[in-house]
Amino acid sequence: GENVEQHPSTLSVQEGDSAVIKCTYSDSASNYFPWYKQELGKGPQLIIDIRSNVGEKKDQRIAVTLNKTAKHFSLHITETQPEDSAVYFCAARRYGNNRLAFGKGNQVVVIP
Amino acid sequence: DAGVIQSPRHEVTEMGQEVTLRCKPISGHDYLFWYRQTMMRGLELLIYFNNNVPIDDSGMPEDRFSAKMPNASFSTLKIQPSEPRDSAVYFCASSLGTADGNTIYFGEGSWLTVV
Repeated sequence: GENVEQHPSTLSVQEGDSAVIKCTYSDSASNYFPWYKQELGKGPQLIIDIRSNVGEKKDQRIAVTLNKTAKHFSLHITETQPEDSAVYFCAARRYGNNRLAFGKGNQVVVIP
Repeated sequence: DAGVIQSPRHEVTEMGQEVTLRCKPISGHDYLFWYRQTMMRGLELLIYFNNNVPIDDSGMPEDRFSAKMPNASFSTLKIQPSEPRDSAVYFCASSLGTADGNTIYFGEGSWLTVV
């Protein structure tokens, strides 16, 4: 099955700086890649996703890039704010498959 | 929309006791998922239903775990008997349809501690 890995496990950034989290996946047939944000004591919440026919997608301060050849995708957060502090999970899924394979998560800490 | 509703939010129980976790999916969603989250293993899919029918339960760890969905608005995950290694956060999630990219919405989780 699909195996998704995230790096680094913990990332600390100064407020206002950018944060980048990278994920790699193993199944070349995967074509849907969402990112979830989990705040303390809450469930994961979808923040952005990308499909395999697109190389990049932006939504305000958040962007996701996909490199299908290398089988990796990254989350970019610009102008980080304290409320961006959370655990971020990447995931991957093959077309027609309802199983989302999640990475282990990255703890992002934004230092004021 | 109220989102996915789970209960209880927190449960502390003694080893050997039965635990029942409950979930109400978002109205109209036809897929329901049960996940378990631990520090060591991350988010694991235990089982999912489509139109109340279990489709894939390959993630259920052992026979002590069972899940039901008697109707479109209610599901339970039961552990009997519970063991300390079952301590985790259990999430219920739901989604609409099977089209590629349909968002999976998570509940707030049920925090289970077995002592």
